[in-house]
Amino acid sequence: QQQVKQSPQSLIVQKGGISIINCAYENTAFDYFPWYQQFPGKGPALLIAIRPDVSEKKEGRFTISFNKSAKQFSLHIMDSQPGDSATYFCAAASNFGNEKLTFGTGTRLTIIP
Amino acid sequence: DSGVTQTPKHLITATGQRVTLRCSPRSGDLSVYWYQQSLDQGLQFLIHYYNGEERAKGNILERFSAQQFPDLHSELNLSSLELGDSALYFCASSPPPPGRHEQYFGPGTRLTVT
Repeated sequence: QQQVKQSPQSLIVQKGGISIINCAYENTAFDYFPWYQQFPGKGPALLIAIRPDVSEKKEGRFTISFNKSAKQFSLHIMDSQPGDSATYFCAAASNFGNEKLTFGTGTRLTIIP
Repeated sequence: DSGVTQTPKHLITATGQRVTLRCSPRSGDLSVYWYQQSLDQGLQFLIHYYNGEERAKGNILERFSAQQFPDLHSELNLSSLELGDSALYFCASSPPPPGRHEQYFGPGTRLTVT
């Protein structure tokens, strides 16, 4: 059962532009929403995370926007750079007896000069 | 570098065989999670251990088993291997208490079953 839906599957953005990746979830028990960045041949790296008590969190060029009523959250990458080219995964976790991460299907981001 | 180590990096084996994947968590972390990453299934949670005790199971096949040892390292055992078990296997660790959600992933073990 796909509980976290991620879009788009792939994204091409020009250098300096804004990259936006969206996720939607179904389980209202989710209370932690991280984003991971994965380069080929490497493990996912925790990028930024948010909890539902805030609507936005910013760390450097990366911002998570969270809409609890719509059950959606998104990652914005400002001033996108070629080094940001990677696969991005959203995820969600619940505190109810199991802290596993449920992942979205991933977005392959390519930043072109 | 997340501080989580996994060995081996690559593993090639035949169908029907058994393999053991090893994971050492970050210093101070008590939780170890195992995930499988394949092209068709994405990143799937397998199992979670906290301080030596199994805490949760996900989509883990009966042919697979895991344990966490007193020194907190963990092993994932895969037996009667099938072609479909070919995937990347990641472990992740997180600090105490068990409700902490931040998970830090290791570099993974790429398993190829021929």
